[in-house]
Amino acid sequence: EAGVTQSPTHLIKTRGQQVTLRCSPISGHTSVYWYQQALGLGLQFLLWYDEGEERNRGNFPPRFSGRQFPNYSSELNVNALELEDSALYLCASNVNRAYEQYFGPGTRLTVT
Amino acid sequence: AQKITQTQPGMFVQEKEAVTLDCTYDTSDPSYGLFWYKQPSSGEMIFLIYQGSYDQQNATEGRYSLNFQKARKSANLVISASQLGDSAMYFCAMREGEGGSTLGRLYFGRGTQLTVWP
Repeated sequence: EAGVTQSPTHLIKTRGQQVTLRCSPISGHTSVYWYQQALGLGLQFLLWYDEGEERNRGNFPPRFSGRQFPNYSSELNVNALELEDSALYLCASNVNRAYEQYFGPGTRLTVT
Repeated sequence: AQKITQTQPGMFVQEKEAVTLDCTYDTSDPSYGLFWYKQPSSGEMIFLIYQGSYDQQNATEGRYSLNFQKARKSANLVISASQLGDSAMYFCAMREGEGGSTLGRLYFGRGTQLTVWP
């Protein structure tokens, strides 16, 4: 069974640019979660999508947005990039009755 | 207030010894779940163990066990017979109940860096 996949693995952007990160959940999983892990910090919750709907949002500005597609894959968009957006962005998926969230390898974003 | 507190930024243990990583949590919800994840230097989060708030017994998974003390709101991870490959960052996390669903965001602590030496 394939795990959660994310793309790209790494990317470098300039302040003010926009970026799109992609996540494919495990087959059969309907929920996708996005977390930000800045250097030296724990994971901060960004967004939760389930069955195509945004269910919950963390304390991030509106320039962080996303969506979930009918095949349950998801995109995270970040507009007007700032230096402090440099972080590892982790996507996780699960399905009801599965306690744990399964994480992907992450996308490492560097903003210069 | 922090939902999850991990007070040990770093821990060192000799190979084959046991080690306990501390975690305390804060919630007023009677239904919640507690998790431990391992993050090697590669970055991927690996699920280790889960404890539900209504579980009577402490959870165990192989060399991992969760010492759940509900009244003290602590959920310490015990790793027995440490191996060199256990060297990684360990995160404690919690999900608060949402009508019995197992879906929902996780709250993470800041992590404990475990180093296992030969």
